[in-house]
Amino acid sequence: AAGVIQSPRHLIKEKRETATLKCYPIPRHDTVYWYQQGPGQDPQFLISFYEKMQSDKGSIPDRFSAQQFSDYHSELNMSSLELGDSALYFCASSLRDNYGYTFGSGTRLTVV
Amino acid sequence: KQEVTQIPAALSVPEGENLVLNCSFTDSAIYNLQWFRQDPGKGLTSLLLIQSSQREQTSGRLNASLDKSSGRSTLYIAASQPGDSATYLCAVKDNAGNMLTFGGGTRLMVKP
Repeated sequence: AAGVIQSPRHLIKEKRETATLKCYPIPRHDTVYWYQQGPGQDPQFLISFYEKMQSDKGSIPDRFSAQQFSDYHSELNMSSLELGDSALYFCASSLRDNYGYTFGSGTRLTVV
Repeated sequence: KQEVTQIPAALSVPEGENLVLNCSFTDSAIYNLQWFRQDPGKGLTSLLLIQSSQREQTSGRLNASLDKSSGRSTLYIAASQPGDSATYLCAVKDNAGNMLTFGGGTRLMVKP
């Protein structure tokens, strides 16, 4: 069965650079979520989209933005990267009126 | 604001033991609760999903219960194996929003 696909798997950027993370949800899932997991921490909700519209917003810095496209894939854009942005970034998808979340394998971002 | 707590934070047991992981949440107005497994540096694998109207779910050696009124869930692992070693996270989806709130996880080590 198709899962949530994230790319790239690993990314190394320098401070003040920009990064773009991509997420391809499970087909027919209408909601996409982005989470950030710092070292030794539990995942923190960043932002979600339902049917290509932003639906909920969590602790996402102003330097970050995200969108969902017509094919339902989503991108998380991160600018002016800081060392503290180094983390695992997960995307998840679900059917809004349905049940569980399915997470992707994550993108490990390292800011040096 | 929903807060999710998991006890214990870490657990080390010999192979074959039955064990219980605990999860508590402060706001009982939940939509569902999901248990995940995470291997070091890897993504989140969904184990069990319990809807707010359900009391328990079972999958193989895993059984999860939910007592919404007391704000508690337990994950029971029968006949533990070294391959069960991982971090187990519980996450709650509130009625109010569409995002998950995670507990801090229980890091499980099953020794051969």
